[in-house]
Amino acid sequence: AQSVTQLDSHVSVSEGTPVLLRCNYSSSYSPSLFWYVQHPNKGLQLLLKYTSAATLVKGINGFEAEFKKSETSFHLTKPSAHMSDAAEYFCVVSDKAGNMLTFGGGTRLMVKP
Amino acid sequence: DSGVTQTPKHLITATGQRVTLRCSPRSGDLSVYWYQQSLDQGLQFLIQYYNGEERAKGNILERFSAQQFPDLHSELNLSSLELGDSALYFCASSVVQPAEAFFGQGTRLTVV
Repeated sequence: AQSVTQLDSHVSVSEGTPVLLRCNYSSSYSPSLFWYVQHPNKGLQLLLKYTSAATLVKGINGFEAEFKKSETSFHLTKPSAHMSDAAEYFCVVSDKAGNMLTFGGGTRLMVKP
Repeated sequence: DSGVTQTPKHLITATGQRVTLRCSPRSGDLSVYWYQQSLDQGLQFLIQYYNGEERAKGNILERFSAQQFPDLHSELNLSSLELGDSALYFCASSVVQPAEAFFGQGTRLTVV
């Protein structure tokens, strides 16, 4: 079985400062990992994915994440926050067959002007 | 626009009633997934269909059922509704595994 823990339920940053959203996973196999973003009253959008290729994954809107097997982490970062980044972010792990996504509890990112 | 269409966007119904949520996947996607998002439970996987057949089951109640039709659209049926079933229900679709799914905008169900 796999699980995902997002270490912060809320993160607040100022516009133009770096963003770090933390995610730890547990899996008995080599996992596929994803970050999704959900803007208010919208569906979820895939930001980026890791599927056992390069450990540093670049996504949309300047986000990237690094897969660290030794730390079982997949933290999401962005060098400079923008007001439009304010949303809820979900770290997700796929089961071995790729049939089921397990979502973390979500991190609400707030961006102050 | 993800290409996944869910109808209706909003639904208000009374306890004990039955509703059907509909999902049209992206063109070419054979897999359809249903998720429930509520304040207390977060985002939970309910069920997956692949090319008309049930592929995986998550935390889906016995009062809930789903199916995928030959044209690949899917329906989620919720019966004997309770107040606690109020939630946002998402459908997602993907081509192949691993599950890189595209999500619809959801159906917000309110049970009164």
